[in-house]
Amino acid sequence: KAGVTQTPRYLIKTRGQQVTLSCSPISGHRSVSWYQQTPGQGLQFLFEYFSETQRNKGNFPGRFSGRQFSNSRSEMNVSTLELGDSALYLCASSSGQGTGYTFGSGTRLTVV
Amino acid sequence: AQSVTQLDSQVPVFEEAPVELRCNYSSSVSVYLFWYVQYPNQGLQLLLKYLSGSTLVESINGFEAEFNKSQTSFHLRKPSVHISDTAEYFCAVSDGGATNKLIFGTGTLLAVQP
Repeated sequence: KAGVTQTPRYLIKTRGQQVTLSCSPISGHRSVSWYQQTPGQGLQFLFEYFSETQRNKGNFPGRFSGRQFSNSRSEMNVSTLELGDSALYLCASSSGQGTGYTFGSGTRLTVV
Repeated sequence: AQSVTQLDSQVPVFEEAPVELRCNYSSSVSVYLFWYVQYPNQGLQLLLKYLSGSTLVESINGFEAEFNKSQTSFHLRKPSVHISDTAEYFCAVSDGGATNKLIFGTGTLLAVQP
Protein backbone atom coordinates (compact mmCIF):
# COMPACT_ATOMS: atom_id res chain seq x y z
CA LYS A 1 0.00 0.00 0.00
CA ALA A 2 1.58 3.27 -1.09
CA GLY A 3 2.07 5.93 1.56
CA VAL A 4 1.37 9.63 1.42
CA THR A 5 3.24 11.18 -1.47
CA GLN A 6 4.28 14.80 -1.51
CA THR A 7 5.82 16.61 -4.44
CA PRO A 8 8.19 18.21 -4.86
CA ARG A 9 10.56 17.24 -2.03
CA TYR A 10 12.57 20.42 -2.23
CA LEU A 11 11.72 23.85 -3.59
CA ILE A 12 13.53 27.18 -3.70
CA LYS A 13 11.49 30.29 -4.44
CA THR A 14 12.07 34.02 -4.40
CA ARG A 15 10.20 36.45 -2.18
CA GLY A 16 6.97 37.60 -3.78
CA GLN A 17 6.50 34.48 -5.87
CA GLN A 18 3.77 31.95 -5.34
CA VAL A 19 4.09 28.19 -4.89
CA THR A 20 1.87 25.13 -5.13
CA LEU A 21 2.56 21.95 -3.21
CA SER A 22 0.92 18.64 -3.99
CA CYS A 23 -0.15 15.73 -1.82
CA SER A 24 -1.51 12.30 -2.78
CA PRO A 25 -3.07 10.55 0.22
CA ILE A 26 -3.18 6.85 0.94
CA SER A 27 -5.76 5.19 -1.25
CA GLY A 28 -9.16 5.29 0.45
CA HIS A 29 -8.25 8.09 2.85
CA ARG A 30 -10.65 11.00 2.48
CA SER A 31 -9.24 13.30 5.16
CA VAL A 32 -6.13 15.32 4.31
CA SER A 33 -4.42 17.84 6.53
CA TRP A 34 -1.47 20.16 6.10
CA TYR A 35 1.04 21.25 8.71
CA GLN A 36 3.92 23.69 8.69
CA GLN A 37 7.06 22.80 10.62
CA THR A 38 9.67 25.40 11.52
CA PRO A 39 12.43 25.42 14.18
CA GLY A 40 10.87 28.43 15.89
CA GLN A 41 7.15 27.60 15.82
CA GLY A 42 7.25 23.82 15.68
CA LEU A 43 4.38 21.96 14.04
CA GLN A 44 1.43 24.16 13.24
CA PHE A 45 -1.88 23.13 11.71
CA LEU A 46 -2.72 24.80 8.40
CA PHE A 47 -5.98 23.22 7.24
CA GLU A 48 -7.95 20.00 6.94
CA TYR A 49 -10.02 18.79 4.03
CA PHE A 50 -12.59 16.05 3.90
CA SER A 51 -14.45 15.10 0.75
CA GLU A 52 -13.36 18.29 -1.04
CA THR A 53 -14.56 20.53 1.81
CA GLN A 54 -12.34 22.52 4.13
CA ARG A 55 -13.33 21.33 7.56
CA ASN A 56 -10.92 23.31 9.68
CA LYS A 57 -8.37 26.08 9.23
CA GLY A 58 -5.43 27.12 11.34
CA ASN A 59 -4.30 30.60 12.22
CA PHE A 60 -2.48 31.52 9.03
CA PRO A 61 -2.91 34.53 6.74
CA GLY A 62 -5.06 34.34 3.65
CA ARG A 63 -1.94 33.91 1.50
CA PHE A 64 -2.14 30.26 2.49
CA SER A 65 -4.87 28.34 0.73
CA GLY A 66 -5.65 24.82 -0.23
CA ARG A 67 -8.08 22.56 -1.97
CA GLN A 68 -8.96 18.92 -2.32
CA PHE A 69 -10.00 17.16 -5.48
CA SER A 70 -12.59 14.43 -5.98
CA ASN A 71 -9.86 11.75 -5.86
CA SER A 72 -8.81 13.11 -2.43
CA ARG A 73 -5.54 14.53 -3.74
CA SER A 74 -4.81 17.90 -2.24
CA GLU A 75 -2.83 20.99 -3.07
CA MET A 76 -1.81 23.94 -0.99
CA ASN A 77 -0.84 27.31 -2.36
CA VAL A 78 1.14 30.10 -0.83
CA SER A 79 1.04 33.45 -2.60
CA THR A 80 3.37 36.43 -2.21
CA LEU A 81 6.02 34.37 -0.47
CA GLU A 82 7.87 35.81 2.50
CA LEU A 83 11.18 34.70 4.00
CA GLY A 84 9.30 33.45 7.04
CA ASP A 85 7.40 30.96 4.90
CA SER A 86 10.56 28.85 4.65
CA ALA A 87 9.60 25.59 6.32
CA LEU A 88 8.91 21.91 5.96
CA TYR A 89 5.32 21.48 4.80
CA LEU A 90 3.81 18.17 5.79
CA CYS A 91 0.73 16.57 4.39
CA ALA A 92 -1.09 13.81 6.22
CA SER A 93 -4.05 11.60 5.43
CA SER A 94 -6.45 9.70 7.62
CA SER A 95 -9.13 7.08 7.20
CA GLY A 96 -11.32 8.38 9.97
CA GLN A 97 -11.69 10.36 13.15
CA GLY A 98 -9.27 9.46 15.88
CA THR A 99 -7.32 6.95 13.83
CA GLY A 100 -4.27 9.16 13.59
CA TYR A 101 -2.65 10.54 10.54
CA THR A 102 -0.10 9.04 8.17
CA PHE A 103 2.35 11.72 7.16
CA GLY A 104 4.26 12.22 3.95
CA SER A 105 7.96 13.03 3.85
CA GLY A 106 7.22 16.70 3.36
CA THR A 107 8.18 19.46 0.99
CA ARG A 108 11.11 21.59 2.11
CA LEU A 109 10.39 25.15 0.92
CA THR A 110 13.16 27.72 1.02
CA VAL A 111 12.32 31.34 0.25
CA VAL A 112 15.27 33.54 -0.69
CA ALA B 1 -7.92 25.72 23.47
CA GLN B 2 -6.04 22.48 23.54
CA SER B 3 -2.34 22.51 24.29
CA VAL B 4 0.39 19.93 24.71
CA THR B 5 3.48 20.35 26.86
CA GLN B 6 6.69 18.44 26.39
CA LEU B 7 8.89 19.81 29.14
CA ASP B 8 12.13 18.23 27.96
CA SER B 9 13.52 19.61 24.72
CA GLN B 10 16.37 17.11 24.76
CA VAL B 11 16.95 13.87 26.64
CA PRO B 12 20.46 12.37 26.49
CA VAL B 13 20.68 8.72 27.47
CA PHE B 14 23.17 5.89 27.15
CA GLU B 15 22.42 2.88 25.00
CA GLU B 16 20.51 0.09 26.80
CA ALA B 17 19.36 2.48 29.53
CA PRO B 18 15.63 3.14 30.18
CA VAL B 19 14.05 6.40 29.11
CA GLU B 20 10.86 8.37 29.72
CA LEU B 21 9.70 11.25 27.55
CA ARG B 22 7.09 13.36 29.27
CA CYS B 23 3.89 14.71 27.76
CA ASN B 24 1.04 16.61 29.41
CA TYR B 25 -2.08 17.93 27.71
CA SER B 26 -4.49 20.62 28.77
CA SER B 27 -7.96 19.35 28.08
CA SER B 28 -10.13 17.48 30.51
CA VAL B 29 -12.62 16.38 27.89
CA SER B 30 -12.37 13.20 25.93
CA VAL B 31 -9.20 13.19 23.83
CA TYR B 32 -7.20 11.03 21.50
CA LEU B 33 -3.47 10.95 22.18
CA PHE B 34 -0.58 10.15 19.88
CA TRP B 35 3.17 9.85 19.83
CA TYR B 36 4.97 10.47 16.56
CA VAL B 37 8.67 10.03 15.77
CA GLN B 38 10.63 12.04 13.23
CA TYR B 39 14.01 10.99 11.87
CA PRO B 40 16.23 13.60 10.16
CA ASN B 41 14.88 14.86 6.83
CA GLN B 42 11.78 12.72 7.09
CA GLY B 43 8.13 13.13 7.89
CA LEU B 44 6.39 11.99 11.05
CA GLN B 45 5.77 8.33 11.77
CA LEU B 46 2.99 7.25 14.11
CA LEU B 47 4.54 5.41 17.06
CA LEU B 48 1.44 4.66 19.12
CA LYS B 49 -1.97 6.04 19.96
CA TYR B 50 -4.56 6.02 22.71
CA LEU B 51 -8.20 6.22 21.67
CA SER B 52 -10.03 4.39 24.46
CA GLY B 53 -9.86 1.21 26.50
CA SER B 54 -6.64 0.05 28.13
CA THR B 55 -4.61 2.97 29.41
CA LEU B 56 -1.33 1.28 28.49
CA VAL B 57 -0.55 1.19 24.80
CA GLU B 58 2.46 -0.39 23.15
CA SER B 59 4.30 -0.05 19.87
CA ILE B 60 5.97 -2.81 17.89
CA ASN B 61 9.48 -1.55 18.64
CA GLY B 62 9.35 -1.67 22.42
CA PHE B 63 7.94 1.75 23.30
CA GLU B 64 4.90 2.09 25.53
CA ALA B 65 2.82 4.98 26.82
CA GLU B 66 0.33 5.21 29.63
CA PHE B 67 -2.73 7.45 29.57
CA ASN B 68 -3.30 9.05 32.95
CA LYS B 69 -6.53 11.03 32.96
CA SER B 70 -6.18 12.45 36.46
CA GLN B 71 -2.73 13.83 35.68
CA THR B 72 -3.58 14.61 32.04
CA SER B 73 -0.37 12.88 31.00
CA PHE B 74 0.70 10.48 28.28
CA HIS B 75 4.37 9.75 28.98
CA LEU B 76 6.39 7.61 26.58
CA ARG B 77 8.75 4.97 27.97
CA LYS B 78 11.17 2.38 26.74
CA PRO B 79 13.03 0.00 29.09
CA SER B 80 16.17 -0.23 26.94
CA VAL B 81 17.03 2.18 24.14
CA HIS B 82 19.16 1.63 21.05
CA ILE B 83 21.27 3.99 19.01
CA SER B 84 18.66 3.74 16.27
CA ASP B 85 16.05 5.30 18.59
CA THR B 86 17.80 8.66 18.26
CA ALA B 87 15.15 10.95 16.79
CA GLU B 88 12.71 13.73 17.62
CA TYR B 89 9.55 12.57 19.39
CA PHE B 90 6.30 14.53 19.27
CA CYS B 91 3.27 14.12 21.47
CA ALA B 92 -0.05 15.17 19.93
CA VAL B 93 -3.67 15.44 20.98
CA SER B 94 -6.91 15.48 19.05
CA ASP B 95 -10.13 16.46 20.79
CA GLY B 96 -12.17 13.84 19.01
CA GLY B 97 -14.55 16.45 17.67
CA ALA B 98 -15.77 16.87 14.15
CA THR B 99 -12.27 17.26 12.78
CA ASN B 100 -9.02 15.38 12.97
CA LYS B 101 -6.95 18.42 13.86
CA LEU B 102 -3.81 17.52 15.81
CA ILE B 103 -2.18 19.81 18.34
CA PHE B 104 1.50 19.00 18.74
CA GLY B 105 3.94 19.51 21.54
CA THR B 106 7.28 21.15 20.83
CA GLY B 107 9.08 17.84 20.57
CA THR B 108 11.78 16.03 22.53
CA LEU B 109 15.07 15.07 20.96
CA LEU B 110 16.10 11.66 22.23
CA ALA B 111 19.88 11.44 21.88
CA VAL B 112 21.16 7.92 22.52
CA GLN B 113 24.87 7.69 23.17
CA PRO B 114 27.03 4.55 22.97
